[in-house]
Amino acid sequence: DQQVKQNSPSLSVQEGRISILNCDYTNSMFDYFLWYKKYPAEGPTFLISISSIKDKNEDGRFTVFLNKSAKHLSLHIVPSQPGDSAVYFCAAMGLNAGNMLTFGGGTRLMVKP
Amino acid sequence: DAGVTQSPTHLIKTRGQHVTLRCSPISGHKSVSWYQQVLGQGPQFIFQYYEKEERGRGNFPDRFSARQFPNYSSELNVNALLLGDSALYLCASSIDIFSTNEKLFFGSGTQLSVL
Repeated sequence: DQQVKQNSPSLSVQEGRISILNCDYTNSMFDYFLWYKKYPAEGPTFLISISSIKDKNEDGRFTVFLNKSAKHLSLHIVPSQPGDSAVYFCAAMGLNAGNMLTFGGGTRLMVKP
Repeated sequence: DAGVTQSPTHLIKTRGQHVTLRCSPISGHKSVSWYQQVLGQGPQFIFQYYEKEERGRGNFPDRFSARQFPNYSSELNVNALLLGDSALYLCASSIDIFSTNEKLFFGSGTQLSVL
């Protein structure tokens, strides 16, 4: 029972264009969402997060959008850079879950120069 | 400052053996969590420890156990290894477990191969 799903295993984007990574969840108790980026041979690193009381959070080139009614969130990267090439994981956490994260399966982003 | 450190980085075991993985959190962090990442999937939560007490356990069999020491380092133990235990085992630390803004910092993981 996958409570967090990333339906696109891979995405290829041209440098300078927008990358949009999508994530769906099924558990209504999730109220905090995070995106992590992972390079080969490294652990995941935190990228950006959003609370369920918001519908948008922006940090530089990265913006996360949350649509609670659709149980959907997306990560926008503008403009995309070759260094953004990595695996991106969507993760969710419930209220009082104490930092226990439920991850999606990941999307491999490739940004072509 | 040192990040989360895990040892060993790679490990090869045979079925039925036992394995111990180790993790040192970032200095000042009192919580350690363990995740299993099977190839092609996202990390899956195994355990969380805070102040040396187990605070959460994921859907893993009793062959998996862990503990946290007074210096906040942690060990993950897996008994009677199965081929399906082959995975990247990630350790993450955080200052505490009470704030949703508290970010998890991950180590680079231990790649376990069970033959």
